[in-house]
Amino acid sequence: AQSVTQLDSQVPVFEEAPVELRCNYSSSVSVYLFWYVQYPNQGLQLLLKYLSGSTLVKGINGFEAEFNKSQTSFHLRKPSVHISDTAEYFCAVSPSGGYQKVTFGIGTKLQVIP
Amino acid sequence: DSGVTQTPKHLITATGQRVTLRCSPRSGDLSVYWYQQSLDQGLQFLIQYYNGEERAKGNILERFSAQQFPDLHSELNLSSLELGDSALYFCASSPQTGGNSPLHFGNGTRLTVT
Repeated sequence: AQSVTQLDSQVPVFEEAPVELRCNYSSSVSVYLFWYVQYPNQGLQLLLKYLSGSTLVKGINGFEAEFNKSQTSFHLRKPSVHISDTAEYFCAVSPSGGYQKVTFGIGTKLQVIP
Repeated sequence: DSGVTQTPKHLITATGQRVTLRCSPRSGDLSVYWYQQSLDQGLQFLIQYYNGEERAKGNILERFSAQQFPDLHSELNLSSLELGDSALYFCASSPQTGGNSPLHFGNGTRLTVT
């Protein structure tokens, strides 16, 4: 079984400030890790993914995430946020073998303040 | 545009009724997933189909059922509806069943049970 914990339900941040959204996971097997973003009244879109290789992963819209196996974390970062980044962000984990059963975190609402 | 189409966008119905939600996956995708999103439960995995066959089951109630047709579109049937079934229902698709394939989400069906 696997689980995902997003430690912050809401994160307010001023425009052009840096932001980090935290994600920790638990799994008995190797996993793939994902971050998705959900804008109002839309479905989720993939931001970035970690499958293997370099632990620093770059995604769309200037976001990046770092996989830390020892701390079982996959935190999402952006050095300077824009108003348009206001959305809900979901961390997700999927077992690396067998059928894909993706488990999502509860989500973190990022509110960018002008 | 993710390429995943869900209909209808909104559905309002009364308790005890039955509804059908429809999903057309992205062209070429064989896997379809259904998720329920509510404020208190977050994004809950309901069920997955691959090329017409059920592959994984999550927290799906017995009152709910789904199927994937030969043309790969899928339907989620919700019966004996209760107030607590009010939620956003998302369909997602991916090319395969492997965990390394990101999910592509539709814009969801908002179900309101009165």
